[in-house]
This record gives sequence, structure tokens and C-alpha cells, in this order.
Amino acid sequence: SAVISQKPSRDICQRGTSLTIQCQVDSQVTMMFWYRQQPGQSLTLIATANQGSEATYESGFVIDKFPISRPNLTFSTLTVSNMSPEDSSIYLCSVAGEGNQPQHFGDGTRLSIL
Amino acid sequence: EDQVTQSPEALRLQEGESSSLNCSYTVSGLRGLFWYRQDPGKGPEFLFTLYSAGEEKEKERLKATLTKKESFLHITAPKPEDSATYLCAVRGSTSYGKLTFGQGTILTVHP
Repeated sequence: SAVISQKPSRDICQRGTSLTIQCQVDSQVTMMFWYRQQPGQSLTLIATANQGSEATYESGFVIDKFPISRPNLTFSTLTVSNMSPEDSSIYLCSVAGEGNQPQHFGDGTRLSIL
Repeated sequence: EDQVTQSPEALRLQEGESSSLNCSYTVSGLRGLFWYRQDPGKGPEFLFTLYSAGEEKEKERLKATLTKKESFLHITAPKPEDSATYLCAVRGSTSYGKLTFGQGTILTVHP
């Protein structure tokens, strides 16, 4: 399966600032996704990152807060904007191939907001 | 809306004590049910995909089964290294590749 690298692996940020998380895959993939996993919780999908077009956001998540880029088939970024302590969470990137393939995950970015 | 419920929330076993984890689901046209293992500080690691009722998959001490309403992850003679959170997810026919996850079961195996 694909090797997925996320940067940074963790960060501590001040409220009101923004952080951009990178997701790099070692091979071209059809689909890329961004999830949030709050402490002790399961995974909640933020958006599907579409190559060459705007991301598709899930209910409760908006582009102004979580802008996403996907310039090619191996790379995507998620920005967490104007952060507050409620944004403290693990942010995970996942990828999937054509058809009904399983998703594979990176190890996540652990974000703490002071 | 697709929904997944896992039980129990937490399970503590002695080494060698076999048990099962449950994943109940409702989905519009199941395209796949996925089991993942997640270790602390890591992303979920893919274990199995099940596509239709009656299907079974095995890997070492783990066996996953599927009915029309639920899936079981059977753990036979577990070892301490099997300790992890086990996540179940479904993909429906209208999901466009998206997965809906359950809350997970935290498994602890004591030596």
C-alpha cells in the first residue's frame, strides 16, 4: 500500500493563528481525504480533497475554516484557520485508489491550541 | 445517513482468552465494511474488507465475519501485542468513496 507522510507530526499553536498540514503520498492516488479525531473519539470526515477542483466538505465543516488544496495526485494540504482551543485534535490524511479500495492513513498531526 | 455502532467500548482480556468485537451498521447499499487497528500515536492500519453477507476474512489471530446487519471481529488466543483500538467503518452506495466510522473498541490484553 501507499506510504503516506504528514507534516508536521505535532504542533502547539497560539489561538487566532493558522497552521497548514501537508500530506505527501509516494504514488499517485485517486482520492484523498482529511479527517479529525478528537481525544478519545473516532474519526470524523472533514472533506474530500479533489485534484484540480474545490474540496467537498462535510456538514459542519466550511472552506473558510479548513481550506484544502490538492495541486496534483500525490499531495494535499489542510489549513486550520483562526484556531481556538476547540480545534485541538489529531488531523489525519487518508488515500484510496480506484474503485472500492480501502483507505490508508498517515500517522496524523497532533495539534494543541493554547 | 450511514451509521456504525461498535460494542463494547472497552474490552480487557487475559492472554489466551478468546473473544469477539461487534460492529452494527445501517447503510444504503453496502459497498464494503472495513476493519482497522489503531495503536496510540498512529493512524489507523487497514486489516480487512468484507463486501457481502456470509463473507469471512482471516489474518493471524483475527477473523472478521459479516451479516446483513453486523460484523464481528473474533480474536483467538490473543497476545498483549494485540492491544489496540479496533475501528469499524462502512462505505455505502451513495458515499462516493467516503467511510463512516464507529467509535471503536479499546482492547487490552494482559499477560
